[in-house]
Amino acid sequence: EVQVVESGGGLVPPGGSLRLSCVVSGFTFSDYWMFWVRQAPGEGLVWVSRLNNDGRSTNYADSVRGRFTITRDNAKNTLHLQMNSLRAEDTAVYYCASGLRSYYFDYWGQGIQVTVSS
Amino acid sequence: DIQMTQSPSFVSASVGDRVTITCRASQGINRQLGWYQQKPGKAPKLLIYATSTLQSGVPSRFSGSGSGTDYTLTISSLQPEDFATYYCQQGVSFPLTFGPGTKVEIK
Repeated sequence: EVQVVESGGGLVPPGGSLRLSCVVSGFTFSDYWMFWVRQAPGEGLVWVSRLNNDGRSTNYADSVRGRFTITRDNAKNTLHLQMNSLRAEDTAVYYCASGLRSYYFDYWGQGIQVTVSS
Repeated sequence: DIQMTQSPSFVSASVGDRVTITCRASQGINRQLGWYQQKPGKAPKLLIYATSTLQSGVPSRFSGSGSGTDYTLTISSLQPEDFATYYCQQGVSFPLTFGPGTKVEIK
């Protein structure tokens, strides 16, 4: 059974930083892409970032490029999202998702709330 | 960037009804289209990828079709557990983009 579990969310003031983590089990983590997707309150789904299986190739949404960094530790089956210079508009539930089907989000975590507010 | 639109944005339907949701891409996406179901307070769930391939465990009442820029998700006989919001997503190029969603509610 595939399990995806996020952690690290919380309340942070504008301009602050937060690091999200996602631990995965149930498939060979090091073989697949991983993603972050977010959903602002009452809004739709927005793709944030993608990392390839060896951690060397990344993609970011324009809204987060230069502020967010996606990394992975294949030895620990863990994905991270370092979020710096946070803005109010970054407030959302952040989901970690696997990419066993490459460009599709096939297994999702439960989501973690990030709130940027003073 | 490829823009995705969906119609309708809201569907009111009864158990047993056939429901069709349409998704349109701003340019051709070579059948690289996925559909997701999201229930309130829950993570989305992949239903269909590559236009018509059902994800493992998804009931056969869900089906997808389309080509070029126009795609559809069909639920052949709506069940109580199908009341949710459905999103399409293009899987051909970054940034990966979703449609705005279609909420299926009980009539």
